[in-house]
Amino acid sequence: EAQVTQNPRYLITVTGKKLTVTCSQNMNHEYMSWYRQDPGLGLRQIYYSMNVEVTDKGDVPEGYKVSRKEKRNFPLILESPSPNQTSLYFCASSLSGEGSNQPQHFGDGTRLSIL
Amino acid sequence: KNQVEQSPQSLIILEGKNCTLQCNYTVSPFSNLRWYKQDTGRGPVSLTIMTFSENTKSNGRYTATLDADTKQSSLHITASQLSDSASYICVVSGGHGNKLVFGAGTILRVKS
Repeated sequence: EAQVTQNPRYLITVTGKKLTVTCSQNMNHEYMSWYRQDPGLGLRQIYYSMNVEVTDKGDVPEGYKVSRKEKRNFPLILESPSPNQTSLYFCASSLSGEGSNQPQHFGDGTRLSIL
Repeated sequence: KNQVEQSPQSLIILEGKNCTLQCNYTVSPFSNLRWYKQDTGRGPVSLTIMTFSENTKSNGRYTATLDADTKQSSLHITASQLSDSASYICVVSGGHGNKLVFGAGTILRVKS
């Protein structure tokens, strides 16, 4: 089954404790992206990757890092999490970039709470 | 500034009724417009993608329209079902760099 898998689905942690949210897709998609979703706001892009070893900042990259060492994986790293990073996070992938007519496939989200 | 605005913010309808959700955008230049359905606790799922030349596109009971001149789109849901209860997100691709601009969504609740 074609899917985007995120782990963990839920995480409660404390300020400053490094964490990684994994994202994996099995569709051989070139493009992958991370978003955060906060109440009353649309999805906001954190980072995106056009292909292996090619990553770029989205609209809200501060406090986050990503890597794309393999085509299928695109982990999101919070080196020193802070409470303002408490949010619902989505990973997405598509065959090609945002300007194409290819739909994005989203994971089911990771709910992070930073205390 | 490239923006996507959706209305209403939320909507409650009776099962079996039709409804229409609106999306206005200022994104320019325009590449395509997408509608996504997001069930509670799940990621968004694509319903339709429309390019500049398409003014109507259907996916089952969902029909999206696009007026590129007025920069407006609507999503019409026919004969609503309880499973249609979800958030519906309008997304426009375009602007410099061909980025996706997301609306805040319309929360639809269908009740029996």
